[in-house]
Amino acid sequence: NAGVTQTPKFQVLKTGQSMTLQCAQDMNHNSMYWYRQDPGMGLRLIYYSASEGTTDKGEVPNGYNVSRLNKREFSLRLESAAPSQTSVYFCASSGEIWTEAFFGQGTRLTVV
Amino acid sequence: AQSVTQLDSQVPVFEEAPVELRCNYSSSVSVYLFWYVQYPNQGLQLLLKYLSGSTLVESINGFEAEFNKSQTSFHLRKPSVHISDTAEYFCAVSDRFSGSARQLTFGSGTQLTVLP
Repeated sequence: NAGVTQTPKFQVLKTGQSMTLQCAQDMNHNSMYWYRQDPGMGLRLIYYSASEGTTDKGEVPNGYNVSRLNKREFSLRLESAAPSQTSVYFCASSGEIWTEAFFGQGTRLTVV
Repeated sequence: AQSVTQLDSQVPVFEEAPVELRCNYSSSVSVYLFWYVQYPNQGLQLLLKYLSGSTLVESINGFEAEFNKSQTSFHLRKPSVHISDTAEYFCAVSDRFSGSARQLTFGSGTQLTVLP
């Protein structure tokens, strides 16, 4: 069982470039999330999807968009990357919204 | 909206010594509480959780946490740590009931370093 799979694991972007972070889960979970992790700040919620077909903003949504492609997949898009978006991004899923979440291995993104 | 405070950003401790990682939360309603562990360059793994019932919950590797509603705390303890416990630990809380403010909120993390 793979759990939550994120791609890519590492990425370097130039300011202004765009990219999409991919996430897929094989646990038949209804809810999926995107967090970013910065030193000393814990994890902050970017966007979430309570169920297939719905998405909502979290604490820090500016500069990001998401797509819940189907029940398994939830992608995060940076339309015009900025150095402030340098971070480690984690995708997570849970069977029920806001309960025990299972995390992917993370994507380390550097914007130069 | 809820918030989580982890009072110690760094906790160094010698091997086989006891340790307590502190977590306090604020919330206006009943909560679910979680501790996650993150090893270097990895994602977060659930260590233990409080959903309901007994206020003392245990993990398979010797950690325990006690939900104290009056003090709004969920401190993590282990009586004897190992080198392999070196990691970052995150406390998280979510409200039990639905509403626009509900989400899974994380503390800023505590780096536990076990010294030989």
